[in-house]
Amino acid sequence: EDKVVQSPLSLVVHEGDTVTLNCSYEVTNFRSLLWYKQEKKAPTFLFMLTSSGIEKKSGRLSSILDKKELFSILNITATQTGDSAVYLCAVIQGAQKLVFGQGTRLTINP
Amino acid sequence: DAGVTQSPTHLIKTRGQHVTLRCSPISGHKSVSWYQQVLGQGPQFIFQYYEKEERGRGNFPDRFSARQFPNYSSELNVNALLLGDSALYLCASTWHRGEGNTIYFGEGSWLTVV
Repeated sequence: EDKVVQSPLSLVVHEGDTVTLNCSYEVTNFRSLLWYKQEKKAPTFLFMLTSSGIEKKSGRLSSILDKKELFSILNITATQTGDSAVYLCAVIQGAQKLVFGQGTRLTINP
Repeated sequence: DAGVTQSPTHLIKTRGQHVTLRCSPISGHKSVSWYQQVLGQGPQFIFQYYEKEERGRGNFPDRFSARQFPNYSSELNVNALLLGDSALYLCASTWHRGEGNTIYFGEGSWLTVV
C-alpha cells in the first residue's frame, strides 16, 4: 500500500529555533515530492523536489530529497510565529495523483 | 490572476441529503483533482479529471461522483450524505498531467453533515 509518513506529528518550539520536519515515503510510480504549508484552509505550495541531493531554498526554508533512502526533510531556520502551521508532505504518483502524509503541526511560541 | 476558486466556502447538510461542490481552476489549467481532508489528517485523493475525462479515482464509494465541463471547471457531487462525509473538500488544478507541474489548491469547501 502506498504511504507517506511524516514525523514528528506535532512540534512546539520557541521563536528563533531551527526545526527539521521529516517525510518518508513508499509510493509506486514516484514522480516528485511536494511540501505544502496549511494554515487554515488551502495548502500553500512551498517546494517541489524531483531530483536527489539538490537542495531547494526559499528564504529561511529549505528542503532536500533522498530518492535512495526514500525521504525528504524540510528545514526552517530562525523560526517566527508566522511559521506556525501544519506542514504537509505529498508525493506525486503517476499522472498527478497526490499521496499525502498526516502532516506535522508546528507551533512557534514567542 | 485568480487562483483556484471553490464554492460554497461553508455549508451544512443533513444526513441523507445531496451536495454539489464547485471548482474553477487557474486560467489555462486543464487538470482538476478533488481531495477530502478530515480534521487532523492529510488530504485524501478522490478524483482527477483532465480534458473532461476521469483519469483517476481514489478509494471512495459510488456516492461520490464528479465531472469536468468544457471550460475546465468541475463539480463534485456526494449523494446520501453520512456524518463521516464532514470534511474540508479541496480542489487542485494543474496545467496538464505531465511531470514537473506544480499543483495548486483552492481555499476549500467546509462541509458539515448533521
